[in-house]
Amino acid sequence: EIVMTQSPATLSVSPGERATLSCRASQSVSSNLAWYQQKPGQAPRLLIYGASTRATGIPARFSGSGSGTEFTLTISSLQSEDFAVYYCQQYNNWYTFGQGTKLEIK
Amino acid sequence: EVQLVQSGAEVKKPGESLKISCKGSGYSFTSYWIGWVRQMPGKGLEWMGIIYPGDSDTRYSPSFQGQVTISADKSISTAYLQWSSLKASDTAMYYCARHVPPGIAEPWGQGTLVTVSS
Repeated sequence: EIVMTQSPATLSVSPGERATLSCRASQSVSSNLAWYQQKPGQAPRLLIYGASTRATGIPARFSGSGSGTEFTLTISSLQSEDFAVYYCQQYNNWYTFGQGTKLEIK
Repeated sequence: EVQLVQSGAEVKKPGESLKISCKGSGYSFTSYWIGWVRQMPGKGLEWMGIIYPGDSDTRYSPSFQGQVTISADKSISTAYLQWSSLKASDTAMYYCARHVPPGIAEPWGQGTLVTVSS
């Protein structure tokens, strides 16, 4: 099973600042990597797929990068609605999620 | 609009059986895989398995093989997740999600909360 490890577990950032979230795979997943956002009491929502392609309706302040085993989700200027938990998911070999990064207001 | 609507919250006792549902609309239900995801209280997301409603081809995550049964009725565009004998450790939120090839989950259902308690 491919293990996905996200860091940090919690990230404290002020509104308007940039947030950088990391995701590492235990073996190469090529670019078969997605990012999801989950707000309290809500279902996850797809943000990024193919490591760097924004899903429909996702603002341009969200960007993804990386390939192989190292991936990054960047939120360029945090808005109040962006504080949530973020999960990466590989779909190169079955499907596994990372444990999540909680993005909280500093 | 593509939408997945799940059945309502359930409260069950250990040993009881349960079947929850996920109804798709706004797209060709038989042309996309549907997956089920577990989220235990305060925890992360875990893939349980997927089903292709067109031919009922089903795949399970090793952790869930033999623990649950995934099925679908394409005549009513509905996928199911069922347990034959619930345990307290099955208490969780369960989500269904449409799989867009090659494995992206979008959209998601609203979730079904299953509580198992004596």
